Amino acid sequence: NAGVTQTPKFQVLKTGQSMTLQCAQDMNHEYMSWYRQDPGMGLRLIHYSVGAGITDQGEVPNGYNVSRSTTEDFPLRLLSAAPSQTSVYFCASSYSSRGGEQYFGPGTRLTVT
Amino acid sequence: GQQVMQIPQYQHVQEGEDFTTYCNSSTTLSNIQWYKQRPGGHPVFLIQLVKSGEVKKQKRLTFQFGEAKKNSSLHITATQTTDVGTYFCAEDNFNKFYFGSGTKLNVKP
Repeated sequence: NAGVTQTPKFQVLKTGQSMTLQCAQDMNHEYMSWYRQDPGMGLRLIHYSVGAGITDQGEVPNGYNVSRSTTEDFPLRLLSAAPSQTSVYFCASSYSSRGGEQYFGPGTRLTVT
Repeated sequence: GQQVMQIPQYQHVQEGEDFTTYCNSSTTLSNIQWYKQRPGGHPVFLIQLVKSGEVKKQKRLTFQFGEAKKNSSLHITATQTTDVGTYFCAEDNFNKFYFGSGTKLNVKP
């Protein structure tokens, strides 16, 4: 099993550009989520999904969209990048959303200039 | 949303010394998870506590959940250089996970 994979590892965008961060898991996990990590602020939940076709907002959803068309994939779309979205983005999955262990991907380091 | 406050923000210890990080909430937590993140890495799950007063051990690590389920702690006995990293607590609140800001541990050999 590859676990949770994320692409790309690094990305530089100009303000106003859009892009999609990819996340995939091969563990047949129901729950998937996206976090951003900024220095000194821990991880903050952006969006999450409890199964294919179901998504919901987390703590900091503005400026981001998600979709979950399959169990395996959970892409995160930045609609119009802003410097405030410079961060490290982690995707995570867990077998169940009922308090289960979360498996994190390696992260994407995004810089918006 | 829920907030879990974590202290201290940083801790520098000599190898062999003990280390403790605390996670506190003003409201009752449904459960608490602990993660470790090595420098440049991703968070890795350590443990989950669910019951009031629960204590779990993993080798030199001891995890506690308060009787009122409003606080939790992670204690490392006799730190080693391999313990370096940032330790996070997180609450699972109805599918939404709220992370503390983390305690960064540095261990001097």
